[in-house]
Amino acid sequence: DVKVTQSSRYLVKRTGEKVFLECVQDMDHENMFWYRQDPGLGLRLIYFSYDVKMKEKGDIPEGYSVSREKKERFSLILESASTNQTSMYLCASSLVEGGFAEAFFGQGTRLTVV
Amino acid sequence: KQEVTQIPAALSVPEGENLVLNCSFTDSAIYNLQWFRQDPGKGLTSLLLIQSSQREQTSGRLNASLDKSSGRSTLYIAASQPGDSATYLCAGTNFGNEKLTFGTGTRLTIIP
Repeated sequence: DVKVTQSSRYLVKRTGEKVFLECVQDMDHENMFWYRQDPGLGLRLIYFSYDVKMKEKGDIPEGYSVSREKKERFSLILESASTNQTSMYLCASSLVEGGFAEAFFGQGTRLTVV
Repeated sequence: KQEVTQIPAALSVPEGENLVLNCSFTDSAIYNLQWFRQDPGKGLTSLLLIQSSQREQTSGRLNASLDKSSGRSTLYIAASQPGDSATYLCAGTNFGNEKLTFGTGTRLTIIP
């Protein structure tokens, strides 16, 4: 079974802190994603990576950056956390092969910025 | 830009009933479609994937179909159980774009 693991279930950080959210997948997937989920807004894509060191902005990249130095690990960085970044963050990975592309998600990180 | 609508936003039904959840895409050129389940405070669990060449998928009491001409998908749940209570999300990709676009979900409650 594919496993996508996020480093923390719950995080509380202070405004202005630099925050790292880590995600690791164990199935050699090329694609990895970071979403945030907010009530009434659904899941919105922050960043997408299709290979090591490759990244693409999603719909709401402002205030975030990402790092993918190894295929299995995709990090989301909040350069200077703000209260409007309080949210549920979800990491996903997928393998695209012959038209087949199933995404698998981690358990989520509930981030609170105070 | 692809937008996804899920109707209804919330649904409560007695245990044992069959039910249908709906999902529609503004861009009907859906390449892959996936249905997920999310329990409160948790991540997403993949339920069914309809690949580019398929129109339907079944897993146990769940059946998902996709009408590419209209950009609509339905998730059918047979003989509902209290354990089916969760939020159900549909998401799709378009050809050449591997990023999933999500609906806002249907919150399902099965009443024992």
